[in-house]
Amino acid sequence: ETGVTQTPRHLVMGMTNKKSLKCEQHLGHNAMYWYKQSAKKPLELMFVYSLEERVENNSVPSRFSPECPNSSHLFLHLHTLQPEDSALYLCASSPRVANIQYFGAGTRLSVL
Amino acid sequence: LAKTTQPISMDSYEGQEVNITCSHNNIATNDYITWYQQFPSQGPRFIIQGYKTKVTNEVASLFIPADRKSSTLSLPRVSLSDTAVYYCLVGAPWGGYNKLIFGAGTRLAVHP
Repeated sequence: ETGVTQTPRHLVMGMTNKKSLKCEQHLGHNAMYWYKQSAKKPLELMFVYSLEERVENNSVPSRFSPECPNSSHLFLHLHTLQPEDSALYLCASSPRVANIQYFGAGTRLSVL
Repeated sequence: LAKTTQPISMDSYEGQEVNITCSHNNIATNDYITWYQQFPSQGPRFIIQGYKTKVTNEVASLFIPADRKSSTLSLPRVSLSDTAVYYCLVGAPWGGYNKLIFGAGTRLAVHP
């Protein structure tokens, strides 16, 4: 148990669906992250939040929309995804941006 | 930007010591070296972090030469459960999200 919880663990959605991924951290950290990991590829940083403000958006398509209502919760809203968006989506937190990160177990997303 | 280079894969046997080397020729003065471990379908887990010389914890040791252009993660007496991908990251712990780059990592396979 890393102190970072992601739900759901698995998600299957059609290209026209709208769904959300949830991340919650119980570590009192101020920074939270979303990463994407496609099969046999390195982790790709998608979004970085520091004290609930987004500080980085690595040119992620607009069909991915993050939300950070407070320092403990992070969401990733998904709509009109493509099959190539199928991947493991990982959430992480750290005391401050770029400190040692603590990762959740991830959400395995399949887009049909 | 401090790019890292690691071997793509390594093989070992139970009970052996494993050393994984990471090259980071462009490491900056303020950069630390951090290693993570990732099992399939899980998020990376922090192993160890260091700045210079040697750091040891209950899991591994990290050796960093004086020029800091490389580092070696040492896993003593590996077991089958150490089969995972190991990532080396270089960056300053107090900022610089642009250095949160996970490369391809080193895929370690431990055999009986």
